[in-house]
Amino acid sequence: EDQVTQSPEALRLQEGESSSLNCSYTVSGLRGLFWYRQDPGKGPEFLFTLYSAGEEKEKERLKATLTKKESFLHITAPKPEDSATYLCAVRYQAGTALIFGKGTTLSVSS
Amino acid sequence: DSGVTQTPKHLITATGQRVTLRCSPRSGDLSVYWYQQSLDQGLQFLIQYYNGEERAKGNILERFSAQQFPDLHSELNLSSLELGDSALYFCASSVSPTGTDTQYFGPGTRLTVL
Repeated sequence: EDQVTQSPEALRLQEGESSSLNCSYTVSGLRGLFWYRQDPGKGPEFLFTLYSAGEEKEKERLKATLTKKESFLHITAPKPEDSATYLCAVRYQAGTALIFGKGTTLSVSS
Repeated sequence: DSGVTQTPKHLITATGQRVTLRCSPRSGDLSVYWYQQSLDQGLQFLIQYYNGEERAKGNILERFSAQQFPDLHSELNLSSLELGDSALYFCASSVSPTGTDTQYFGPGTRLTVL
């Protein structure tokens, strides 16, 4: 069964303490891996799309990377405003919908 | 702001009732997707419409139905509501019918069934 697993479930960081979030997937024929940010009670906000192993995308303090079986979201020198739930989703060959992981809830304290 | 709008923002109703959730996609987007987000299940795909036609179906219950109108807005109808239907319902939109492009999500409708 196609599956997306995110780890850790929750992560607490001090402001400026860099870390990485993991998204591993077991889908057949990956046609895109997506990272979203979701604030409580709000809709997911698009961050990145990655299509092939070795690809990297960067935006401010965030950098997403992709291998054949997993993706990492690296957060460099995070700030309290980076606190949110980060969702990973994949699209596989046979479908048009996104399969979401359960997310990593990041808390950054000053 | 993603450009996707959803109404209402909150909905409180009783078991057995029927409700309609509305979504307007971003300008130029022809695909609309509906997702359900509950605490234990995460975001689950329900159904996709492209230019008025049903394109793909996910884990949508028979009590639920959707449609997309000529002006491209979409409605999700939920009937015979149960307590377990309480969740956040999101609409997303994209340009392509094949799902190869980015889906942009609306702010969601929080449904509470009492």
